[in-house]
Amino acid sequence: QKEVEQNSGPLSVPEGAIASLNCTYSDRVSQSFFWYRQYSGKSPELIMSIYSNGDKEDGRFTAQLNKASQYVSLLIRDSQPSDSATYLCAVKGGGKSTFGDGTTLTVKP
Amino acid sequence: GAVVSQHPSWVICKSGTSVKIECRSLDFQATTMFWYRQFPKQSLMLMATSNEGSKATYEQGVEKDKFLINHASLTLSTLTVTSAHPEDSSFYICSMGLAGDYEQYFGPGTRLTVT
Repeated sequence: QKEVEQNSGPLSVPEGAIASLNCTYSDRVSQSFFWYRQYSGKSPELIMSIYSNGDKEDGRFTAQLNKASQYVSLLIRDSQPSDSATYLCAVKGGGKSTFGDGTTLTVKP
Repeated sequence: GAVVSQHPSWVICKSGTSVKIECRSLDFQATTMFWYRQFPKQSLMLMATSNEGSKATYEQGVEKDKFLINHASLTLSTLTVTSAHPEDSSFYICSMGLAGDYEQYFGPGTRLTVT
């Protein structure tokens, strides 16, 4: 079992819809959780960080963390074609990040 | 977010030569630096981590004599690929952050092609 698992994808949603990306992790001592967006041929870009249970909203993005269930998710509201990218979930503990394999999202106009 | 630059953005070199990649944080002092490699359509692979004042810690399977990492200062890290081979062709990405479990920020990456 991988340490960080994400939806296998690819995920396709119509423009304006809500895209839901999920991530589970195995290490209970993980302290910090991040979502990165990576466009094809580019490096990852940090879009959300979350450290405590609950929801955190930033514009169209909402991260949700449930440490008891070892689950973190990212919701993208009013999805736009420019949101089409691979989304990486990262879990950090002891100063070291573990990345999931990513979920590729396509938003169709 | 913090800004990390990386140079060069792409490089083509001949087999057997060495290539140096520079990574700089432009607006913060990074106590921890990471180097990743990513092959097409694959996930990020951590190569090594270096903390301020200490030598880099390499991940299992990464040859430290082949991939030389120098954490020169709180704003500069370099990766030198020595005696490059075609199989070293990849996308190399640096990342910098503060000590502990805080955010880390990625440079734009360097695409290395070894012919």
